[in-house]
Amino acid sequence: DNVMTQSPLSLPVTPGEPASISCRSSQSLLQSDGHNYLNWYLQRPGQSPHLLIYLGSIRASGVPDRFSGSGSGTDFTLKISRVEAEDVGTYYCMQAPQTPPFYTFGQGTRLEIK
Amino acid sequence: ELQLVESGGGLVKPGGSLRLSCAASESSVSKAWVSWVRQAPGKGLEWVGRIKREIDGGTTDYAAPVTGRFTISRDDSKNMVYLEMNSLKVEDTAMYYCTTGGNWFASWGQGTRVIVSS
Repeated sequence: DNVMTQSPLSLPVTPGEPASISCRSSQSLLQSDGHNYLNWYLQRPGQSPHLLIYLGSIRASGVPDRFSGSGSGTDFTLKISRVEAEDVGTYYCMQAPQTPPFYTFGQGTRLEIK
Repeated sequence: ELQLVESGGGLVKPGGSLRLSCAASESSVSKAWVSWVRQAPGKGLEWVGRIKREIDGGTTDYAAPVTGRFTISRDDSKNMVYLEMNSLKVEDTAMYYCTTGGNWFASWGQGTRVIVSS
């Protein structure tokens, strides 16, 4: 099975500073259509997850432009240009190829404000 | 934006059964693939299974830990998706979310909690 590995697992950040989360897949997520089937989600404390980035780099509707996704194949990065208090929560990457096991999440990265 | 509301969670004994429901706010859910994702207490997210839209065959796929025990179905006339859970185990204890999308999960419900304990 494909394994998604995130780092770091804990990320203390000073407001206004940048933050970066890495997600590594044990198999390439680049499909023949040229898209990377890798998504990013944020789960704020006590809330449901919500979509931040899909297909590796496309921001979901309403997501601030301080969030950006990059990478291809097996290595991906989520960057926050300037962290704000509302960015606190756990970030998950998720692979979504259309072969079993279909969807696999990373372990999650907990971002906290210093 | 599509709203999803889960219900049906509760306390059940090991070996028991439970049916969760996911109610959608609009008929556009009939055009969506719907997945169930769960989160054990203090743990990360785990995909449980999905049902494709009828135009794509309405077929289902499941994660290995629940295959043979869980069944997903849909009733597009009622804007509903269901998760039938049988032979429940202690390790099935989790918050269960329904979510829409094939290649990414765009809409999420607030979740319903399932506790499997004797």
